[in-house]
This record gives sequence, C-alpha cells and structure tokens, in this order.
Amino acid sequence: GAVVSQHPSWVICKSGTSVKIECRSLDFQATTMFWYRQFPKQSLMLMATSNEGSKATYEQGVEKDKFLINHASLTLSTLTVTSAHPEDSSFYICSANQGDEQYFGPGTRLTVT
Amino acid sequence: GDSVTQMEGPVTLSEEAFLTINCTYTATGYPSLFWYVQYPGEGLQLLLKATKADDKGSNKGFEATYRKETTSFHLEKGSVQVSDSAVYFCALRRRNSGYALNFGKGTSLLVTP
Repeated sequence: GAVVSQHPSWVICKSGTSVKIECRSLDFQATTMFWYRQFPKQSLMLMATSNEGSKATYEQGVEKDKFLINHASLTLSTLTVTSAHPEDSSFYICSANQGDEQYFGPGTRLTVT
Repeated sequence: GDSVTQMEGPVTLSEEAFLTINCTYTATGYPSLFWYVQYPGEGLQLLLKATKADDKGSNKGFEATYRKETTSFHLEKGSVQVSDSAVYFCALRRRNSGYALNFGKGTSLLVTP
C-alpha cells in the first residue's frame, strides 16, 4: 500500500523557537494532506487541510499564524510550529489520500521545554 | 457537529477470547465509518470500513456492521491473537470535507498468551 513518512519522528525544542515537521507521500502524489494533533489518551483532532498550491484550510480554533502549513509539491507538506510553547507539546500526525483511502504517517512527538 | 464515541480501554483479553469494542456516532446524514488500528511505533492503518447502512466491513477476522438504527459500528473478532494487541480507533468521514476524519479516543487492546 501507499506509504506516508514524517520527519522527524520526535523533536525537543526550547520555548519561543520554531520547529518544522515534514510529511511526505513516498510512492504517490497527494494534492491534499491532513494534519492532526493527538493528546495523550485523546482522539486525533484535525488541525488543517493542506492543499497543494494553495492556502491551507484550518479548523475552528486552530491559529493559522502559529501553525504554518506549506504544501509546495505533490509529495510534501510541512507544518511549522512558530514560537512554540509547552502547551504545543503533542503528537502530530499527517495523512494523505490515494483514491478513496487515507494513509497516515507514523507521527512526530514534539516536546517544548 | 459530527462525532464518534468509543469505549475506553485498556481492554485486556486472553488469547482466543471474543472481542467487542463499542463505537457509536453522531452525524447529520449517513457518513462513511471506519476502524483504524495503530500498532506500537507505527502509523494508523485502515482495518475496515463501511459506507452505507447495513454494510459489513471485514478484514483479518475483524468485523463491524453499520447500524443506522442504533448509530453504531461495533468492532468484533471471534478469537483474538497476541498480535492483535494495538490501539483501535473508530472514525467517521465528515460530509463535504474531502476525506478528513473525525476519530474516537481510541481503545487500547492487550492480548495475553
């Protein structure tokens, strides 16, 4: 099946700095990718829909200036957490569609100290 | 809005026991319903799905039937194996949202020999 990768798998950063997370579709092209956030023992919450060549669509309550999404090619979407704070610490998961099915990356654990 | 509620875990079963993980949904119209599985250290994988009422999704011995009258999509397996130990997520595809998903909180299953 289709494979989606994320990099890095985990990252620790200091409060106030920015961190970029990459999501790649390895063997297929994806015009749409999704970014989710998962807190411990909580469900995955959709943050935004990333559209190749256009602006991302953010869910209600998600700060677009804080979570910058760039979908510059058909195989790569990036999520940049700007001016990170400890409350941004979470597990970030991306997904991409191929046909009718969604494929998920393994996730990125972000810890902000 | 559309939402999914699934039973909380963790669920611990002995090998060859019968498994049921309850999932109910709230949605306008008739969403597509999914079960995803997340093995330790891996991304979410689609386990099975159903797109309309009375559909039964099945895969790897797991089954779930889309019950419109009870708004449910319970996951069942007649005889679990140690290798089934994972976290299971029930999800629905929101209408008019492309392929974005709303997830339940996940149910951790541990199968012991």
